[in-house]
Amino acid sequence: DVKVTQSSRYLVKRTGEKVFLECVQDMDHENMFWYRQDPGLGLRLIYFSYDVKMKEKGDIPEGYSVSREKKERFSLILESASTNQTSMYLCASSLWKSYGYTFGSGTRLTVV
Amino acid sequence: KNEVEQSPQNLTAQEGEFITINCSYSVGISALHWLQQHPGGGIVSLFMLSSGKKKHGRLIATINIQEKHSSLHITASHPRDSAVYICAVVDGGSQGNLIFGKGTKLSVKP
Repeated sequence: DVKVTQSSRYLVKRTGEKVFLECVQDMDHENMFWYRQDPGLGLRLIYFSYDVKMKEKGDIPEGYSVSREKKERFSLILESASTNQTSMYLCASSLWKSYGYTFGSGTRLTVV
Repeated sequence: KNEVEQSPQNLTAQEGEFITINCSYSVGISALHWLQQHPGGGIVSLFMLSSGKKKHGRLIATINIQEKHSSLHITASHPRDSAVYICAVVDGGSQGNLIFGKGTKLSVKP
């Protein structure tokens, strides 16, 4: 069964900590995406990547960075976590030039 | 103005009722997704449409490209259908990124 796996379901971190959210897909997809989901705002794109070592900013990249050293893994990094980054984070992947997306189960991050 | 609008925002139904959720969009698209998210859960893709109609079990999705409108229907609704339903379009003008609606929260009462 093909899937997108996010390493943590729930995470609690302190303000100022460096936080890594990991996403791994086993479908050999070229495209990978990080979104955050907030009540009333819906899903918003943070960063995406179309290939290894490539990254593009989405709509709300401030305060985040990403890393894609291998095709199957796309990491979201919060350099210095802040309380306004408390949110649900969702990873997704898709094939190049395909319209089908597969989503991970999400990581609910709380920054205290 | 949001590029993808869903209605209603919230919907409460009795078990067995026929349910319709609507999605209108203002951009040119390559495809449209209907997604389901149960409370506290991840997102599951229900349908991907670029024309016409698709059916899976009690779920039916339709799209009218000329009118830039899609509907998701649930027949014989059940409490386990309670979830947030999200419409997302694949932007035809970009590199295929998704643009999401804000979701419709459905609650089906027994």
